[in-house]
Amino acid sequence: GAGVSQTPSNKVTEKGKYVELRCDPISGHTALYWYRQSLGQGPEFLIYFQGTGAADDSGLPNDRFFAVRPEGSVSTLKIQRTERGDSAVYLCASSPGQGATGDTQYFGPGTRLTVL
Amino acid sequence: AQSVAQPEDQVNVAEGNPLTVKCTYSVSGNPYLFWYVQYPNRGLQFLLKYITGDNLVKGSYGFEAEFNKSQTSFHLKKPSALVSDSALYFCAVRGLNSWGKFQFGAGTQVVVTP
Repeated sequence: GAGVSQTPSNKVTEKGKYVELRCDPISGHTALYWYRQSLGQGPEFLIYFQGTGAADDSGLPNDRFFAVRPEGSVSTLKIQRTERGDSAVYLCASSPGQGATGDTQYFGPGTRLTVL
Repeated sequence: AQSVAQPEDQVNVAEGNPLTVKCTYSVSGNPYLFWYVQYPNRGLQFLLKYITGDNLVKGSYGFEAEFNKSQTSFHLKKPSALVSDSALYFCAVRGLNSWGKFQFGAGTQVVVTP
């Protein structure tokens, strides 16, 4: 079946602008995760959802970052007043959410965000 | 707080030789440990995980990892490396009470030469 997809694959924006990054998880996966990966670093946890609710958003760096998952499937990561330091690859992953493989994550290809 | 250390930025190995990628962790309580691999221009792929039980975990593509509680380590191993194993490898950990919140290491680049 289809894997996790993310759109756009690349996003270039200007400092101060608003951006939205979209994630389509694997069908039936109740858990969804957002990470940020800078060059030469591992993925940095931002937030994860169980169903429609954000179960842990402790990784969001500040109140410019917000994520939603209104119907428990597609998720959108929203960044307001972008800064150059927000430039990174934003990764989305999903997992079944329960059972022995509940937290085995399947990653999307990422969205490369560049803030000029 | 939970943390992961991958002490080697890069590991070089000749094809056919054994491969080891090191990982140490810090977490409160029992750890849940994972290895993921990232090939160029592709998303991270799950290799294996340790929850409880046998200290030696077998995963995809002939990889295995050994959990050592006293050394807080979870090293990834493969008895005979292939050129196609060249990729970026990430170790990740979460605590028992931190379902969904993972800490990833910085990654280790594996280069397998023919």
